[in-house]
Amino acid sequence: GAVVSQHPSRVICKSGTSVKIECRSLDFQATTMFWYRQFPKKSLMLMATSNEGSKATYEQGVEKDKFLINHASLTLSTLTVTSAHPEDSSFYICSASYRGYGGNQPQHFGDGTRLSIL
Amino acid sequence: AQSVAQPEDQVNVAEGNPLTVKCTYSVSGNPYLFWYVQYPNRGLQFLLKYITGDNLVKGSYGFEAEFNKSQTSFHLKKPSALVSDSALYFCAVRDGSGGSYIPTFGRGTSLIVHP
Repeated sequence: GAVVSQHPSRVICKSGTSVKIECRSLDFQATTMFWYRQFPKKSLMLMATSNEGSKATYEQGVEKDKFLINHASLTLSTLTVTSAHPEDSSFYICSASYRGYGGNQPQHFGDGTRLSIL
Repeated sequence: AQSVAQPEDQVNVAEGNPLTVKCTYSVSGNPYLFWYVQYPNRGLQFLLKYITGDNLVKGSYGFEAEFNKSQTSFHLKKPSALVSDSALYFCAVRDGSGGSYIPTFGRGTSLIVHP
């Protein structure tokens, strides 16, 4: 159980293109979804947190107009990288969590999206 | 505020030997602690968690972790390492006393198990 599907797994596109990444919880209701960026030296950077039906909360330094997050339902969140540039190339990972039981539930992660901007 | 420290960037161990990956934390209230594993080009997988109860927590793939309140530690252990355990390990904490529901992750520790 607790499967999160992230799509696509890899994207290669030209500079200036907008790219949408989908994150779906397949067998549970994800009241909260998280978007991370992982850098080559492995550390995870939390970009934003979204609750179903609400606007995403962005971490300091993350441009909300560049990284558009939509959490339209309890099973789907999307991250759109608008007008992507080479410096946006990275590994993006989503995770989903059910906030029941006092918030003691773990996060369930997608398999990540490798974004390469040429 | 909450924070997590994984003091070792890399841990090397021979197959069959016990392994320990260290994690220390800081929270204002009661800690909710988690361990995750990441294989190359994959997302993170949940291994185990401590919320309350027994200090020794058992998880997936033969891993366990010991919660030590006085030392504010939650080290990950396995009695006998496998080459297939080689991966990146992340410790995470959140304040279970009504603080932020957003967990804080450590920087990760690369575990390399040599044949």
